[in-house]
Amino acid sequence: GAVVSQHPSWVICKSGTSVKIECRSLDFQATTMFWYRQFPKQSLMLMATSNEGSKATYEQGVEKDKFLINHASLTLSTLTVTSAHPEDSSFYICRGVGAYEQYFGPGTRLTVT
Amino acid sequence: LAKTTQPISMDSYEGQEVNITCSHNNIATNDYITWYQQFPSQGPRFIIQGYKTKVTNEVASLFIPADRKSSTLSLPRVSLSDTAVYYCLVGRKLIFGQGTELSVKP
Repeated sequence: GAVVSQHPSWVICKSGTSVKIECRSLDFQATTMFWYRQFPKQSLMLMATSNEGSKATYEQGVEKDKFLINHASLTLSTLTVTSAHPEDSSFYICRGVGAYEQYFGPGTRLTVT
Repeated sequence: LAKTTQPISMDSYEGQEVNITCSHNNIATNDYITWYQQFPSQGPRFIIQGYKTKVTNEVASLFIPADRKSSTLSLPRVSLSDTAVYYCLVGRKLIFGQGTELSVKP
C-alpha cells in the first residue's frame, strides 16, 4: 500500500552545517506535504505546509530562511535545516496528502553537536 | 482551526476496553475527525476517521455525537502493545494537541 518514506532516518551533524531531509510518497501523488517537528515528550508541532510547485507556507514562529522546504514534484519534498544549532535537534516528520490518502513518514532524528 | 482537548494520560489493564474522549467545540462543518497512534521515535499511525455517528474498523470504533463537538475512540480488549500516545485531530491541516498517553498494564 501507499506509504511515505523519509531519508535519512537519523543524522548527526556539526553545529553550523546544513542537513537535508527527504520525504517521498510511494504509490501515490502527494499534492501537499506537511512538515512537523517533535521534541522529546512533546506533541508534534506543524512547521510548514507545501503544495507541489508552490512556495511553502510557514507557521508562525518558524524561520523560513532556516528551514528551507522544496516540493518540486508530487512524490518528493525536502526540508533543509541550514546553519544547524543544537537547539534544532529534534524529530522531524513529514505527512503526504493526496487526493484520497494521507500518510505520515517514519520520522528523521536530527542531532546537532 | 479547531482545537482539541483530551485527557493527558490514562491507565488500563490488558483485556479491558478503553475509551478516550476528545472535545473539539469549534469543529467546522466539513471537518473530519481522525485519530492517530504514536510510539516513541515513530511517525503517527492512522487508527480511524469519521464524520458523524459511528465508525468501526478492525482495530477501533469511533463514536461521534450529533453535534460533533466531541468524539470517543474505543479500543476493545487492549494489550500491552497498545501503550502509546493517542491523538485526536480535526480537519485537513492536522494541528496536534497534547494527546493522551495510554499505559496498559498486565
